[in-house]
Amino acid sequence: EADIYQTPRYLVIGTGKKITLECSQTMGHDKMYWYQQDPGMELHLIHYSYGVNSTEKGDLSSESTVSRIRTEHFPLTLESARPSHTSQYLCASSASGSRDTQYFGPGTRLTVL
Amino acid sequence: SQQGEEDPQALSIQEGENATMNCSYKTSINNLQWYRQNSGRGLVHLILIRSNEREKHSGRLRVTLDTSKKSSSLLITASRAADTASYFCATDASGTYKYIFGTGTRLKVLA
Repeated sequence: EADIYQTPRYLVIGTGKKITLECSQTMGHDKMYWYQQDPGMELHLIHYSYGVNSTEKGDLSSESTVSRIRTEHFPLTLESARPSHTSQYLCASSASGSRDTQYFGPGTRLTVL
Repeated sequence: SQQGEEDPQALSIQEGENATMNCSYKTSINNLQWYRQNSGRGLVHLILIRSNEREKHSGRLRVTLDTSKKSSSLLITASRAADTASYFCATDASGTYKYIFGTGTRLKVLA
């Protein structure tokens, strides 16, 4: 069982609101990732981090931002949510080393009205 | 463009039958992984195969990798209704820690 948590699991908010999606892992993993996934579609990497104070944008352009102040915590923030941000957001982590298995959280399903 | 493309996009089989899904990718890799996703949930890692390996087994799962064709296949033997899920391959681009996920195969196993 992976020790990676996301809150909230479901979020419905109005346009223009600022939101933060939380992701925490207790495995001491250096690498963490955020993916965006529309229903029935592939995952798109939007942000990743190799360690504390390291963040990079992924392959899919996103208006969100991330921070990595602590190893275990990798929150994602949307300053002003829009209906186009409606999607599922998946957080993952992996250890350094040769076996880069990613452990995924349960996801946050975001709906922006 | 997508690193991983999978086919078929969807597959429906009877319980007890074998299910085979394929993944093709474009660039050289260090390893390839397969994940399962139940509806509306996070992904669960199934198996990892390295670029210098050709075949790997784990329980009812068998994965093959052909680096010359840049393709991999996942075989689930004696399928069960509980195997119903989406299956994704993920490849790393050599020299990076990023993984690119394929488009996924939606498997439905009918009881």
